[in-house]
Amino acid sequence: AQSVTQPDIHITVSEGASLELRCNYSYGATPYLFWYVQSPGQGLQLLLKYFSGDTLVQGIKGFEAEFKRSQSSFNLRKPSVHWSDAAEYVCAVGSAGNMLTFGGGTRLMVKP
Amino acid sequence: DSGVTQTPKHLITATGQRVTLRCSPRSGDLSVYWYQQSLDQGLQFLIHYYNGEERAKGNILERFSAQQFPDLHSELNLSSLELGDSALYFCASSGGQVFRGYTFGSGTRLTVV
Repeated sequence: AQSVTQPDIHITVSEGASLELRCNYSYGATPYLFWYVQSPGQGLQLLLKYFSGDTLVQGIKGFEAEFKRSQSSFNLRKPSVHWSDAAEYVCAVGSAGNMLTFGGGTRLMVKP
Repeated sequence: DSGVTQTPKHLITATGQRVTLRCSPRSGDLSVYWYQQSLDQGLQFLIHYYNGEERAKGNILERFSAQQFPDLHSELNLSSLELGDSALYFCASSGGQVFRGYTFGSGTRLTVV
């Protein structure tokens, strides 16, 4: 069965600092991987996705993520965090014909 | 606007009542998924419909039911409501031919009092 683990429930970073959010997955085949962002009381917005090809993918709002097959990871990064990035970040894994499995999310707080 | 429309945005109702949540998927998407998100909890999968047929069930209570209509919109029916059913209910849709992930609606916030 597929699963997603986001080890950090909460992360606090200072504005302007770099950010890395961890995502580890378990999946029997080549996965499709996703990162979503959820602002309070809002729906989930797709930040970026990986299907195949280049393992470093660029997304919206200056985010990127790197697929590392050997580590079963798909960590999300941003070089300089803005106060508006404070939100819940959710990683997901799946494939065509299979449903997505979502991680528990990481809540990002940004200090001024 | 994600293209997935959920109504109503907010709903306040009393225990024991029944409510219906509605979702219109993004144009061209055949799959609809329903999720429940309680306070400070992750997404809990409820049910998946594809082109009118139920495809998968998650931890959906017997008091809850859903359907997808020929025009592909879906409704989630919640009955005999309890205080613990208060949550955000999200609908997501995905495409029929090419899988590109899910597109989420903005959710319905249900408060049971």
